[in-house]
Amino acid sequence: DIQMTQSPSTLSASVGDRVTITCRASQSISSWLAWYQQKPGKAPKLLIYKASSLESGVPSRFSGSGSGTEFTLTISSLQPDDFATYYCQQYNSYSLTFGGGTKVEIK
Amino acid sequence: QVQLQESGPGLVKPSETLSLTCTVSGGSISSYYWSWIRQPPGKGLEWIGYIYYSGSTNYNPSLKSRVTISVDTSKNQFSLKLSSVTAADTAVYYCASLLLPRGGLGYWGQGTLVTVSS
Repeated sequence: DIQMTQSPSTLSASVGDRVTITCRASQSISSWLAWYQQKPGKAPKLLIYKASSLESGVPSRFSGSGSGTEFTLTISSLQPDDFATYYCQQYNSYSLTFGGGTKVEIK
Repeated sequence: QVQLQESGPGLVKPSETLSLTCTVSGGSISSYYWSWIRQPPGKGLEWIGYIYYSGSTNYNPSLKSRVTISVDTSKNQFSLKLSSVTAADTAVYYCASLLLPRGGLGYWGQGTLVTVSS
């Protein structure tokens, strides 16, 4: 099974900060990685697919990069609406795996 | 706009079978792969499995022995059965569309909390 490790698990930041979240795969997954945003009591929302493709309707301050085993999600200028938990998810194999999540908190 | 809605009992007794249905509206169930994901209270997301409209499935190896996902194309629905449940299966269960080959779970239901308790 492919394991996904996210870091940090919690991140404290201020509005306007540049934020970077890292996701590492236990083996190469090419670019088959997605990022999600989840707010309390809500279903996750797809932000990025295929490592760097922005889902329709998602603000351009969100960007993804990486390939192989190391990936990043960057929020260029953190907005009040962005305080949430973020998950990466691989779909390289026939199985899907989520990372453990990164909670972005207000500093 | 594709919409998904989970339905089923909110309380299941230990050792029994959890059964949920996801109804797809605003689109054809033949368009995507369809997945179940769960999230225990206060914890992260766990993929359970997915199905294609043809009936082909793939399951999380850690749950495979207890999971069955099926599809009813005539009703635009797909279903989850999880057998021999324990308290560890208490979670919010989500259905979602898996947008292969592009990737990502694009459309999600609102989720339904299933509690395993006697």
